[in-house]
Amino acid sequence: QKEVEQDPGPLSVPEGAIVSLNCTYSNSAFQYFMWYRQYSRKGPELLMYTYSSGNKEDGRFTAQVDKSSKYISLFIRDSQPSDSATYLCAMSGGYGGSQGNLIFGKGTKLSVKP
Amino acid sequence: SQTIHQWPATLVQPVGSPLSLECTVEGTSNPNLYWYRQAAGRGLQLLFYSVGIGQISSEVPQNLSASRPQDRQFILSSKKLLLSDSGFYLCAWSPKPGNTEAFFGQGTRLTVV
Repeated sequence: QKEVEQDPGPLSVPEGAIVSLNCTYSNSAFQYFMWYRQYSRKGPELLMYTYSSGNKEDGRFTAQVDKSSKYISLFIRDSQPSDSATYLCAMSGGYGGSQGNLIFGKGTKLSVKP
Repeated sequence: SQTIHQWPATLVQPVGSPLSLECTVEGTSNPNLYWYRQAAGRGLQLLFYSVGIGQISSEVPQNLSASRPQDRQFILSSKKLLLSDSGFYLCAWSPKPGNTEAFFGQGTRLTVV
């Protein structure tokens, strides 16, 4: 079983739709959870950062972490064509050294159609 | 605010030629620094990370090396490029103690021909 699983998509939705992106993981030591947005041929941009379980909201974006299920989600409300990108989840135990390095999902490619 | 600079954005190099990619961070001190490679369908692969000047850890055996000559400078090198070194290379930094969040540069697309 891979440490982090993420459906690669592609996911295509109409403008204005609610988008749900998800990752599952196997390592119960993960405490820090991140979502990155990556436009084509650009570096990943940190979108949301969450520590431990719970929800975090920032504008149209909501990140949820369910540590009991080892499942994290990113919701995008009122999706826009500018949200079309690849979304990467990442997580770590938060301590130094190689054991604490960020583990990334492979990314979900999202396309929002006008 | 912190910024990370990575250059060049694109690079085409012949097989057997040397490589030097540079990354610098501004607005922070003593960051953790990382080099990743991203290949289509394979996600982000951590190549090297550094917790301080002259301290480099390699995650995978390869044809590449890294150096950190200054606190906020990270260099990725190769003496002789292989075709398999082609890819999208990303530099990133994170605040200490590290691995809570990482901030990426814009990447270098390397094509070895």
